[in-house]
Amino acid sequence: GAGVSQSPRYKVAKRGQDVALRCDPISGHVSLFWYQQALGQGPEFLTYFQNEAQLDKSGLPSDRFFAERPEGSVSTLKIQRTQQEDSAVYLCASSLKGLAFTDTQYFGPGTRLTVL
Amino acid sequence: EDKVVQSPLSLVVHEGDTVTLNCSYEVTNFRSLLWYKQEKKAPTFLFMLTSSGIEKKSGRLSSILDKKELFSILNITATQTGDSAVYLCAVGPREYGNKLVFGAGTILRVKS
Repeated sequence: GAGVSQSPRYKVAKRGQDVALRCDPISGHVSLFWYQQALGQGPEFLTYFQNEAQLDKSGLPSDRFFAERPEGSVSTLKIQRTQQEDSAVYLCASSLKGLAFTDTQYFGPGTRLTVL
Repeated sequence: EDKVVQSPLSLVVHEGDTVTLNCSYEVTNFRSLLWYKQEKKAPTFLFMLTSSGIEKKSGRLSSILDKKELFSILNITATQTGDSAVYLCAVGPREYGNKLVFGAGTILRVKS
């Protein structure tokens, strides 16, 4: 596709529910990133994939957060037993090259998660 | 801990004004600094800066990096209402994964 796409654009969950957020990166992009953006703040790094390998998950806030990219393209961010503090916009970004290169990240529109 | 601070937090100007947005950073092993514009959707890429003193320019927008003083500025001349957005500054540390560390952003509102 022309850009990074994410679905759903909006998600409302009751506290305790599991959610799954999808990211379709730009075709051919090696690197994929997930960020969490709270209201009025800049995005904060969650995790990074190079192809199908998850090379950095240092930003995941708890073991309730899990991400995968099994075939090196589409990625899913899963949040189990959602809490109110998980409410945020979840942004996905991709870049053409791998971690050894300085490269521009292109962002998707985000999924706005609201946990009631 | 890596840190990016943007100023001002918000700014209101009139169409035609020139604005300067500031970004200072502390990061281990600097790799790059990026500016993004965020409206009610995806952050859109503006500039990536890796070398000091070299101005990057795109239309009415320009940016420059000072690696000695650890800051960057983003200039917008002849502002238009379409420039209203949050401007995000991010730094890429030279470490595993090339993740970005973002500032909180500057909210710019351009009044007609």
